Amino acid sequence: NAGVTQTPKFRVLKTGQSMTLLCAQDMNHEYMYWYRQDPGMGLRLIHYSVGEGTTAKGEVPDGYNVSRLKKQNFLLGLESAAPSQTSVYFCASSRASTGRNEKLFFGSGTQLSVL
Amino acid sequence: GENVEQHPSTLSVQEGDSAVIKCTYSDSASNYFPWYKQELGKGPQLIIDIRSNVGEKKDQRIAVTLNKTAKHFSLHITETQPEDSAVYFCAASMIDRGSTLGRLYFGRGTQLTVWP
Repeated sequence: NAGVTQTPKFRVLKTGQSMTLLCAQDMNHEYMYWYRQDPGMGLRLIHYSVGEGTTAKGEVPDGYNVSRLKKQNFLLGLESAAPSQTSVYFCASSRASTGRNEKLFFGSGTQLSVL
Repeated sequence: GENVEQHPSTLSVQEGDSAVIKCTYSDSASNYFPWYKQELGKGPQLIIDIRSNVGEKKDQRIAVTLNKTAKHFSLHITETQPEDSAVYFCAASMIDRGSTLGRLYFGRGTQLTVWP
């Protein structure tokens, strides 16, 4: 029972490089999310998706892009990485909107360092 | 959007003692309040939640209380054990105005350490 799987687990980038984080869920959930976690800042929503082919901005979307070409996958892209994007990134999914009291299922995170 | 404040940021207790973490929220439209536990190197996991039409909910050693008038809610852990050591996040969920979508707003987290 895999749940939410994130790849890679760790990555080091140089400023200006690009990369894509992959999230996959096997629970047939409609909603998927990308959060970043910084010390003392809690979890902040970057982008989210309410279904295949849809995406929307969260609290801190600048510098990131996302795509949801398949229902089970949600990709987070950094086109030109900056040191301010050093963080732990979490993908999550839910059956329906969290505004409808739905539980979030999180992946185990990706530690990204931008030098 | 919603603003969720969480206190304390760190909490150390002796095994067997109780631990209390408190959160306040700003928007009276919030109607769902989950608590997530994050163990080292893992993603957060839901441990308990409460809806706005309920004042208290218990699950074994864990309880959550909600005071809608004061806009605050608390997590209570009794008979703490070393395996309770983790970061705990509170959150508040509300439907975005002009939308049918809801969003979770998280507090900044509490690092709980339980000493044997």
